[in-house]
Amino acid sequence: DAKTTQPTSMDCAEGRAANLPCNHSTISGNEYVYWYRQIHSQGPQYIIHGLKNNETNEMASLIITEDRKSSTLILPHATLRDTAVYYCIVRAIGDKLIFGTGTRLQVFP
Amino acid sequence: EPEVTQTPSHQVTQMGQEVILRCVPISNHLYFYWYRQILGQKVEFLVSFYNNEISEKSEIFDDQFSVERPDGSNFTLKIRSTKLEDSAMYFCASSEARPGLGPQHFGDGTRLSIL
Repeated sequence: DAKTTQPTSMDCAEGRAANLPCNHSTISGNEYVYWYRQIHSQGPQYIIHGLKNNETNEMASLIITEDRKSSTLILPHATLRDTAVYYCIVRAIGDKLIFGTGTRLQVFP
Repeated sequence: EPEVTQTPSHQVTQMGQEVILRCVPISNHLYFYWYRQILGQKVEFLVSFYNNEISEKSEIFDDQFSVERPDGSNFTLKIRSTKLEDSAMYFCASSEARPGLGPQHFGDGTRLSIL
């Protein structure tokens, strides 16, 4: 079973920041937080991952709380093409990915 | 940007027939995976593969399933005798040499329809 809890759905206005929360209160010290998204029925797309420090790349920022029990994925300027299901996954090195049901993000004009 | 490619995009097969799904992982990746997603359900892990052998497999990956890396570029999933419940999207993924430190990159999948 997935070790994360995410809201079922969220809305965001185009151009605004989308902040997607994730709870992972049972995370172990060697486990990373990964974020993927799935647009329609395409393959999951890697977004970002982190261990304990905040991370940023060209797609998003990942904010991990100091106790590592929760994190937030930030899409700074959401576009209509960011409409997708977003998965927060906790994973140790070498482990398979265990997908939950994710958060369905709807970006509206 | 390098990507994982899967063929065919859609495969229709009669129940009981064998099917082979093909994947070309990213060229410098050494770890390979298959996942599946039944319509409306979660993405589920099937199998991981490294150094020409299975590293881990799920309960779904029974004797009807097999994987192979027949040459330096392809990675295949074979279902020996398909069942109706094998209808799903099948995703191939690959990751860099050091397991887990690099993310898994997915292809766009093969939609398998069993009639």
